[in-house]
Amino acid sequence: KNEVEQSPQNLTAQEGEFITINCSYSVGISALHWLQQHPGGGIVSLFMLSSGKKKHGRLIATINIQEKHSSLHITASHPRDSAVYICAVRNSGTYKYIFGTGTRLKVLA
Amino acid sequence: DAGVIQSPRHEVTEMGQEVTLRCKPISGHNSLFWYRQTMMRGLELLIYFNNNVPIDDSGMPEDRFSAKMPNASFSTLKIQPSEPRDSAVYFCASSLASNTQYFGPGTRLTVL
Repeated sequence: KNEVEQSPQNLTAQEGEFITINCSYSVGISALHWLQQHPGGGIVSLFMLSSGKKKHGRLIATINIQEKHSSLHITASHPRDSAVYICAVRNSGTYKYIFGTGTRLKVLA
Repeated sequence: DAGVIQSPRHEVTEMGQEVTLRCKPISGHNSLFWYRQTMMRGLELLIYFNNNVPIDDSGMPEDRFSAKMPNASFSTLKIQPSEPRDSAVYFCASSLASNTQYFGPGTRLTVL
């Protein structure tokens, strides 16, 4: 079992839909990152979380430390949100980063 | 701000050759990360530096890989000798302390 699990692996949505991507991890962490990788390959860091919730535009990220779970929400999805979303955690103590395998999102117009 | 700069953007080489990838982090950032991405293994952290000092190199696959950061504005990742299984996209990222990482555009390496 991977230490970081993402679900779903693939997601197709219609423009305007509310989207949720989940990340569960099994190790103690000091931080959790959500990354976005566009079809062209570039990677953008969306959020870094250690507790609670963060919002940036139409994106919301939450983390529940006790449940070892984080969610990334996209409100009013748009075709330009089509990308691979990657969850990464930093193991507390070892400083090692562990990556999920990513969620491939496609938003249809 | 120019962002993280990587060079070259594409590299094609033959097995056995030495490959050097370069990274210039964002000015003022004190942490630098080297990642490798393949279809099979996804994104992997190879090594990261804090204040030019390697903190964790446990992700470096084997002795053929080495990374240096001689100063705060430059880092290299070297593969010698290269093998076809090293073909991947190599990303460099930088951050200030443990905050948000900013990724470079990546170097696509193909080893024939």
